[in-house]
Amino acid sequence: EAQVTQNPRYLITVTGKKLTVTCSQNMNHEYMSWYRQDPGLGLRQIYYSMNVEVTDKGDVPEGYKVSRKEKRNFPLILESPSPNQTSLYFCASSSWADSGNTIYFGEGSWLTVV
Amino acid sequence: GQSLEQPSEVTAVEGAIVQINCTYQTSGFYGLSWYQQHDGGAPTFLSYNALDGLEETGRFSSFLSRSDSYGYLLLQELQMKDSASYFCAVRANAGKSTFGDGTTLTVKP
Repeated sequence: EAQVTQNPRYLITVTGKKLTVTCSQNMNHEYMSWYRQDPGLGLRQIYYSMNVEVTDKGDVPEGYKVSRKEKRNFPLILESPSPNQTSLYFCASSSWADSGNTIYFGEGSWLTVV
Repeated sequence: GQSLEQPSEVTAVEGAIVQINCTYQTSGFYGLSWYQQHDGGAPTFLSYNALDGLEETGRFSSFLSRSDSYGYLLLQELQMKDSASYFCAVRANAGKSTFGDGTTLTVKP
């Protein structure tokens, strides 16, 4: 089954304590991306990756880091989380071979920073 | 930068047809996508238009006019399960996507 898997799904953490949200896809997709969604708003892109070792900033990259060492994994790193990073996070992936540009999303990770 | 505008709320009755419009301003344009999101769930991809015209997928259709920076999502034969938020998103380059704030569709019996 085609899947984008995120972990953890729910996390409460404290300000300044580094955390990593993992994302893995089993579809051999080249493209992966991270988004955050706040109440009443659409998804805002944090970072994206066009392929292994190729990453670029989205619209709201401040306070986040990513890496793409393997094709299937694209972890999101919060080096020093702050309360304004409390949000719902989605990982997504897609294939360049798909002319329909179908993007698959993970189930989301609810992050609370206190 | 990119910005998108779509109505915040739309209400319709079961069996009806509803159109959700999206206008955009973007410095680059690869295509316009539509997503559905139920409360607490992940967005689900609905359609993608890279060229002008209408794309039809079952009860859902999506239209794009690049010259007008405008698109819409058309939902036919509405069902209660179509109650959800709908987002348009502009793909500004090969990797970058910007989403609108979403339209909440309420389908009434």
